[in-house]
Amino acid sequence: GAGVSQSPRYKVAKRGQDVALRCDPISGHVSLFWYQQALGQGPEFLTYFQNEAQLDKSGLPSDRFFAERPEGSVSTLKIQRTQQEDSAVYLCASKFERVGGTGELFFGEGSRLTVL
Amino acid sequence: AQSVTQLDSQVPVFEEAPVELRCNYSSSVSVYLFWYVQYPNQGLQLLLKYLSGSTLVESINGFEAEFNKSQTSFHLRKPSVHISDTAEYFCAVTRPLYGGSQGNLIFGKGTKLSVKP
Repeated sequence: GAGVSQSPRYKVAKRGQDVALRCDPISGHVSLFWYQQALGQGPEFLTYFQNEAQLDKSGLPSDRFFAERPEGSVSTLKIQRTQQEDSAVYLCASKFERVGGTGELFFGEGSRLTVL
Repeated sequence: AQSVTQLDSQVPVFEEAPVELRCNYSSSVSVYLFWYVQYPNQGLQLLLKYLSGSTLVESINGFEAEFNKSQTSFHLRKPSVHISDTAEYFCAVTRPLYGGSQGNLIFGKGTKLSVKP
């Protein structure tokens, strides 16, 4: 596709369930970012990949959060044993360049997670 | 560490009126500055950015922002808004890449612009 694609767009999980959120970046984009956007807040950085390498995971809020990009393209954000505070929109973004370049960051529409 | 403050969470204006969305940042080093827009049910889109050079930057749909280093501000303005400008606007900052900076964006909390007929 032409843009960053995320699935599912909406996910309702019971507390304690595991969830997996998928991101298809724009083809050929080297850099991939995950952000968490809580209600009424701006996006907050979670983690960053350059190709298949996860170079920064300092924003992941706990060890229940895990992200991977095994072949340097599609990425999955996994949340284990979901808690109510995990409810948020999870945004994926990609960029053609390596991190630090001044090129535009392209965002997907996000995956809205609601934990009951 | 950098941070971004958007002083107004909501800005209602009438169509064809001017608007200013305020953004202040804090950083001990030089930064790149961005405005992103999020239309209803859509992803974030880059509106404009300041990297270096002229402190006044413009978008293709009539918005402009001015980088003011002394006031650490990057306010977004439009002289005459349209109904279609109704959206949420996010100011963001990142450091130029050197010394290990990885260049991820730090966002403000957003300003909802509501344009009324």
